[in-house]
Amino acid sequence: AQTVTQSQPEMSVQEAETVTLSCTYDTSESNYYLFWYKQPPSRQMILVIRQEAYKQQNATENRFSVNFQKAAKSFSLKISDSQLGDTAMYFCAFSDSGAGSYQLTFGKGTKLSVIP
Amino acid sequence: SQTIHQWPATLVQPVGSPLSLECTVEGTSNPNLYWYRQAAGRGLQLLFYSVGIGQISSEVPQNLSASRPQDRQFILSSKKLLLSDSGFYLCAAPTGFSNYGYTFGSGTRLTVV
Repeated sequence: AQTVTQSQPEMSVQEAETVTLSCTYDTSESNYYLFWYKQPPSRQMILVIRQEAYKQQNATENRFSVNFQKAAKSFSLKISDSQLGDTAMYFCAFSDSGAGSYQLTFGKGTKLSVIP
Repeated sequence: SQTIHQWPATLVQPVGSPLSLECTVEGTSNPNLYWYRQAAGRGLQLLFYSVGIGQISSEVPQNLSASRPQDRQFILSSKKLLLSDSGFYLCAAPTGFSNYGYTFGSGTRLTVV
């Protein structure tokens, strides 16, 4: 079974600074997908970024980027120019590429606080 | 686009009372559907998933049950709630036809007193 580990329960960052959230996973699959989700105080889950394992290029979405290290099974999220609205729980998630299953396994989350 | 509706948004129930949480999906047909629970300060725990009408798989043994009476309806139930059932319940479905993660409902905050 796949597991996802987020080793940082809580982090804080000054507004406008850069922060990196860590995620490691364990799988025997060769092709899979990785995600970062944001859960602000409203508790609505929002997809931040997605990475396909067979793509070597790291995904980026505006101020959000990932450092995907397949051999190390590491998938960290970098938030640049942190904003107060980035304050949220962040969940790393894994999905294998099994036909039609799309089942996600989540880490326990990292609570990020952006300090003005 | 796909939308997931959940209700109620907030619920306070006494121990031993029944529970029914409803999830409906718009904008797609015959989706896989998932119920997750998020306890305070913890991650998302998969409770049930369904690949079609009447088809339910349970991930965690507990006093909760799920049903899928219609293609786009997914119900989470309990006959007698426990204090440990308190939490935030999320319904989800895959986004699109490729692996683009999930679309989530807005959740139900359940407090058992």
